[in-house]
Amino acid sequence: EPEVTQTPSHQVTQMGQEVILRCVPISNHLYFYWYRQILGQKVEFLVSFYNNEISEKSEIFDDQFSVERPDGSNFTLKIRSTKLEDSAMYFCASSEVGSSANEKLFFGSGTQLSVL
Amino acid sequence: AQTVTQSQPEMSVQEAETVTLSCTYDTSESDYYLFWYKQPPSRQMILVIRQEAYKQQNATENRFSVNFQKAAKSFSLKISDSQLGDAAMYFCAYRRAGAGKSTFGDGTTLTVKP
Repeated sequence: EPEVTQTPSHQVTQMGQEVILRCVPISNHLYFYWYRQILGQKVEFLVSFYNNEISEKSEIFDDQFSVERPDGSNFTLKIRSTKLEDSAMYFCASSEVGSSANEKLFFGSGTQLSVL
Repeated sequence: AQTVTQSQPEMSVQEAETVTLSCTYDTSESDYYLFWYKQPPSRQMILVIRQEAYKQQNATENRFSVNFQKAAKSFSLKISDSQLGDAAMYFCAYRRAGAGKSTFGDGTTLTVKP
């Protein structure tokens, strides 16, 4: 089965540093997402992206966050100046819209971000 | 705003027995999808089963089935013949049709006793 891939699997950074989390969605998918999960807590929506622009974002996704699809395959999440509370597992996901048989989210295996 | 509630933080079941995990949700939409995800210690999000709101028939996937009560906004997961590998955190999730964000519950940690 096709899968969403994320790199790196674990990222350690110093507070205040910029980080870029990378994702390769499934090739024929059109919608892309970032979610995060603080250890022991629920999965929270950050942002969705379609047709090269943000389609929806949560209150968590403030000016410190940005997303980009720099080429035809990668989808990135940038955190400009990391805070301790940004430490979490970040999941990328993608979906194929328009086909009811495939209205489901495919998740990557996540990037664990640790901010020291 | 949509909300998803899982009222059971922890559940346990004896191997080979059946367990039901509860989920309720709140929405004003009429067309949406409901999902159960399994998250083992590796923290990978694995889709277990999904239900389209417009379908009255409950979804089933091998040992996993749901009891979807649309009027009551209830979506429970039944695991039959529980196996040790079923031990994980289970999340219920809601997503409106036409793409968009998914809203997750707080999760239920399932322990399977040998």
